[in-house]
Amino acid sequence: RKEVEQDPGPFNVPEGATVAFNCTYSNSASQSFFWYRQDCRKEPKLLMSVYSSGNEDGRFTAQLNRASQYISLLIRDSKLSDSATYLCVVNVGGKLIFGQGTELSVKP
Amino acid sequence: NAGVTQTPKFQVLKTGQSMTLQCAQDMNHNSMYWYRQDPGMGLRLIYYSASEGTTDKGEVPNGYNVSRLNKREFSLRLESAAPSQTSVYFCASSRGHGDNQPQHFGDGTRLSIL
Repeated sequence: RKEVEQDPGPFNVPEGATVAFNCTYSNSASQSFFWYRQDCRKEPKLLMSVYSSGNEDGRFTAQLNRASQYISLLIRDSKLSDSATYLCVVNVGGKLIFGQGTELSVKP
Repeated sequence: NAGVTQTPKFQVLKTGQSMTLQCAQDMNHNSMYWYRQDPGMGLRLIYYSASEGTTDKGEVPNGYNVSRLNKREFSLRLESAAPSQTSVYFCASSRGHGDNQPQHFGDGTRLSIL
């Protein structure tokens, strides 16, 4: 079983749609959690950290369920510019463990 | 706003050749990392340096060596390149190792081994 698992997609959605990505992790000692965004094999860029109480940044909402070892990312009112691969990332003992990524394509 | 700078951006090698990938950061970060990214797989950690003067193996260290030259620079060396090392290599840095800080990435080196 992979340490961090994501649905690879692709998710094809129209502009304005709401889309949710899920991620599960296997190591209960995981310390911190992030969502990164990666465009066309460019470098990963931090989208947001994920806090236990859940957190929001504009159209993006992240949730963490430590009991279920589950992380989610919700994108509201999708824009064309949101098209990218979204990487679920878990910090275990200082090392980042990356999921394969979920591809999102937002269409006009 | 250079952040993390990697050189070269592209490289083609023949099997058996050696080369060094360079990485430098200007954010005064203590920790630096080397990853590889292959199709269908997440980024995998090759080596890391938690602080100046230390280096440790990651998930896939075989065939690679690293040097933390100083606080700013962390290089990755392929002594005898193999086709299986064809990949995109990313360097990253963070304020500290294990302190729950995110990592910041360079824009990658695309390496092909023929």
